[in-house]
Amino acid sequence: GENVEQHPSTLSVQEGDSAVIKCTYSDSASNYFPWYKQELGKRPQLIIDIRSNVGEKKDQRIAVTLNKTAKHFSLHITETQPEDSAVYFCAASSSGGGADGLTFGKGTHLIIQP
Amino acid sequence: DTEVTQTPKHLVMGMTNKKSLKCEQHMGHRAMYWYKQKAKKPPELMFVYSYEKLSINESVPSRFSPECPNSSLLNLHLHALQPEDSALYLCASSQALGGAGIVGQYFGPGTRLTVT
Repeated sequence: GENVEQHPSTLSVQEGDSAVIKCTYSDSASNYFPWYKQELGKRPQLIIDIRSNVGEKKDQRIAVTLNKTAKHFSLHITETQPEDSAVYFCAASSSGGGADGLTFGKGTHLIIQP
Repeated sequence: DTEVTQTPKHLVMGMTNKKSLKCEQHMGHRAMYWYKQKAKKPPELMFVYSYEKLSINESVPSRFSPECPNSSLLNLHLHALQPEDSALYLCASSQALGGAGIVGQYFGPGTRLTVT
């Protein structure tokens, strides 16, 4: 089955700086890569996603890049703000010919220092 | 609208009880999921329903029994649970693209389950 590795487990950055979180996956059949933000006591919130026929996607301060050959993808947050503090999860899904569940990385605790 | 709703928000049950968790979405999604999340851990997939049929069961013990009555509803029936089953149970839904996989998986707020 799929295995997703995520680094770092904790990331502390100054407000206004950029943050980068990296993930690798093992299953070359995986074709959908979402990122979730989860605040304490809340649901995982989909913040951006990318499919394997796209190399990069951007939404305001958030961008995701995908390297299919190397099987890794990254989340980039620019101009970080205090409200960006949360746990971020990457995930991967294989088509499997139909709907497939997500395999998650272990999460990155992002701390924005004022 | 990207809303998935779940009831109840919290549930405390004894090991001999039978209870059910409910999930609803009105986004027209044809794939629905149950995940289990322990504290400080990522969600773990339990079940996948695609077009109202169970397509994936991640070797979940039979004390958890899923049901998909229609394309908008997903239930999880609980019976004879153990204290280690205490966790946040998350429902999710997504568009199913046939053989091309999925896109846009959205989570409900979860049910916080405590087994005593």
